[in-house]
Amino acid sequence: EIVLTQSPATLSLSPGQRATLSCRATQSGSISLAWFQQKPGQAPRLLIYDASNRATGIPARFSGRGSGTDFALTISSLEPEDSAVYYCQLRTNWPPRITFGGGTKVEIK
Amino acid sequence: QVHLVESGGGVVQPGRSLRLSCAASGFTFGSYTMTWVRQAPGKGLEWLALVSYDGTNEHYADSVKGRFTLSRDNSKNTLYLQVNSLRVEDTAVYYCARELTGGLGLDYWGQGTLVTVSS
Repeated sequence: EIVLTQSPATLSLSPGQRATLSCRATQSGSISLAWFQQKPGQAPRLLIYDASNRATGIPARFSGRGSGTDFALTISSLEPEDSAVYYCQLRTNWPPRITFGGGTKVEIK
Repeated sequence: QVHLVESGGGVVQPGRSLRLSCAASGFTFGSYTMTWVRQAPGKGLEWLALVSYDGTNEHYADSVKGRFTLSRDNSKNTLYLQVNSLRVEDTAVYYCARELTGGLGLDYWGQGTLVTVSS
């Protein structure tokens, strides 16, 4: 069973600063890695799919990179509305499984 | 415009059953793999199950295998999750989500339905 570890657990930064969130898998061989943003009381929103592709309507300040077991989400210049919990998600081909990381909470000072 | 609307949640006693539904609109439902994900209060996301576009293949997380059953009716554009032998720890918001072709991510989510298991 693949485990995804996200770090840090919490990130507290000011508007305009750069945020880098990490997601590490215990093994490679997945189909893809995705990133989601979730605000309180809302469903998750897809930000990045297949490790580095922005989903429809996602601002260019969000970018994803990585392969194998190490992935990262970068928010290049934080906006107040970026305050949320961010989850990474891995999909394996066989057996078909979806795994979520534990989340990183981004706080805007 | 893609819409997913879950229903069927509520307060239920331990050991009882529920059937959750997810009504889809705005896209060709029968062309997509669909999933269920839950989130316990104050906790992270937990994947539960997925079903192939045609309903012929279902896969479950180990934590719910044998208790939860996923199905779909493409003629009704509806996804179902039968949840049996409910436990207090099954208390969560249950979301359905559409999977991008190729398993690249979950691009649309419903608003969720709350299941509370309590005596």
